[in-house]
Amino acid sequence: GQQVMQIPQYQHVQEGEDFTTYCNSSTTLSNIQWYKQRPGGHPVFLIQLVKSGEVKKQKRLTFQFGEAKKNSSLHITATQTTDVGTYFCAGLLSYNTDKLIFGTGTRLQVFP
Amino acid sequence: DGGITQSPKYLFRKEGQNVTLSCEQNLNHDAMYWYRQDPGQGLRLIYYSQIVNDFQKGDIAEGYSVSREKKESFPLTVTSAQKNPTAFYLCASSIEGSTDTQYFGPGTRLTVL
Repeated sequence: GQQVMQIPQYQHVQEGEDFTTYCNSSTTLSNIQWYKQRPGGHPVFLIQLVKSGEVKKQKRLTFQFGEAKKNSSLHITATQTTDVGTYFCAGLLSYNTDKLIFGTGTRLQVFP
Repeated sequence: DGGITQSPKYLFRKEGQNVTLSCEQNLNHDAMYWYRQDPGQGLRLIYYSQIVNDFQKGDIAEGYSVSREKKESFPLTVTSAQKNPTAFYLCASSIEGSTDTQYFGPGTRLTVL
């Protein structure tokens, strides 16, 4: 079935380094949402992107939605230990807006 | 945590037994969802409901059943027909549908012995 892939699956960085996770869909998306799940916790909504080429920032986090609305990225500048967790993208298919398709997630580990 | 509660946090059952996981929300949200999360994998949709007394199968509905008799409640039953029931189960709700932010409960970790 429809899949939304994320790369990398895991990323270990030194505190202060940057981090990027990429989300790719084979099908055009109506919108894309990003969630963060801390270890042992539940996903928490970060942001939603709707427009082609849209870029949004939240402090050290920058989110982009591709021009073709098939890919997205999350970039964290100067990571901190509080950034540890798994980041999921979730896309809404343009032809079926009933349900979100969650990506496979990128697990970020930050070493102090 | 967005007003969604799931109980219990940890649940152990013997193989062959049905088990019902609770999900309650006080956010007055119309839509509710059940997801399953396995180690190293993303969330997979089991069932969802956009209004009371109506629900639809998600991508992995086999071996599960749900009901939506009240707006606030969306219990999930894991039946003995589910071949690999051990997993982390997450309930979520949104105001109207999938275009809205989903608020997740704390999850129930089910272990079948």
